[in-house]
Amino acid sequence: AQSVSQHNHHVILSEAASLELGCNYSYGGTVNLFWYVQYPGQHLQLLLKYFSGDPLVKGIKGFEAEFIKSKFSFNLRKPSVQWSDTAEYFCAVNHNYGQNFVFGPGTRLSVLP
Amino acid sequence: DGGITQSPKYLFRKEGQNVTLSCEQNLNHDAMYWYRQDPGQGLRLIYYSQIVNDFQKGDIAEGYSVSREKKESFPLTVTSAQKNPTAFYLCASSIDLGGELFFGEGSRLTVL
Repeated sequence: AQSVSQHNHHVILSEAASLELGCNYSYGGTVNLFWYVQYPGQHLQLLLKYFSGDPLVKGIKGFEAEFIKSKFSFNLRKPSVQWSDTAEYFCAVNHNYGQNFVFGPGTRLSVLP
Repeated sequence: DGGITQSPKYLFRKEGQNVTLSCEQNLNHDAMYWYRQDPGQGLRLIYYSQIVNDFQKGDIAEGYSVSREKKESFPLTVTSAQKNPTAFYLCASSIDLGGELFFGEGSRLTVL
């Protein structure tokens, strides 16, 4: 069965620190990759997505992610976090436009002011 | 504004009772989904529907039922057969199967 792992359960950073959240998936074929974010009290929303092309993808709010096919990874990065980035982040994989998005367990990010 | 509306936001029920969670979308999306979110487990797919009057089981369909009589609506019933129903339930939709998901705000069900 396909699976998505996220390296950290809870990350705590100070404002202006750099962020990298790891995501690895198990499926070896063609995949579409996503990062979703859930701010406190809000619904899940898309941060960024990769379908094809440039493996470095830029999303909203200064986030970016890099798809490294050989490592089955899609890590999320941000050079300088803000307190408002405090949220839960989910990596998701969808293979070949199939019906099932496989989500990782989530990483909770706490940014201290 | 287009979006997905879930209701109720919070729901308390006694064991053995069936409950139905509502999900309505005005995005004109063909595909709709129900996910269950538990702490530390991410989102798990319960059911999905690609078109009206058609739906398929996801990974954890046991104890749940759905219907898709209208494009806009995809209600989820949590039956008494669901052994651990207390959870946060998320409805989502996409333009077509496998496209970017748009989520509702969720319904938190607590079974006493």
